[in-house]
Amino acid sequence: DVKVTQSSRYLVKRTGEKVFLECVQDMDHENMFWYRQDPGLGLRLIYFSYDVKMKEKGDIPEGYSVSREKKERFSLILESASTNQTSMYLCASSPQSESSEQYFGPGTRLTVT
Amino acid sequence: AQKVTQAQTEISVVEKEDVTLDCVYETRDTTYYLFWYKQPPSGELVFLIRRNSFDEQNEISGRYSWNFQKSTSSFNFTITASQVVDSAVYFCALSEPADSNYQLIWGAGTKLIIKP
Repeated sequence: DVKVTQSSRYLVKRTGEKVFLECVQDMDHENMFWYRQDPGLGLRLIYFSYDVKMKEKGDIPEGYSVSREKKERFSLILESASTNQTSMYLCASSPQSESSEQYFGPGTRLTVT
Repeated sequence: AQKVTQAQTEISVVEKEDVTLDCVYETRDTTYYLFWYKQPPSGELVFLIRRNSFDEQNEISGRYSWNFQKSTSSFNFTITASQVVDSAVYFCALSEPADSNYQLIWGAGTKLIIKP
């Protein structure tokens, strides 16, 4: 079974803190994704990586950065957390096949106070 | 412009009723893929089905069925004899390989509530 794990299920941080969300997949997938999910807005893509050290901005990259130093790990970084970044963060991975589905982790619910 | 529309924000039915979740998509590509995912209250999205644009056969899996109609650009999902465990948010998504570099275009989701 494909497994995508995220470092925390729940996280509470203070405004201005630097926040790291980690995602690891064990299926040797080339593609990895970070989404945020907010009520009524569905899933919005923050960043996408198709290879080690490669990244592309998604629909809402402002306030976020990412790091992919190893194929299995994709980190989302909030340089200076703000209250409007309170959200559910979902990580996904997929092989580089045009027909493939994405496999999701359990999500991290981040609260910024 | 939104390319995947799930017009039903929330649906509530009583257990054992049939329910259909609508998904309408927009694309200019001839090759594309459509997906349905389920997100139960636990939060993890679970893949349900993939359909490519060249296969208009309807799909049935137990109580679940999918109706793909290119003429109306729709990929609707029906649950027969619904159960409380079907309560979840359901997402429809579109992949356009020529345009989107493995990314999926997501609908806003439909929250399905099955009452006992």
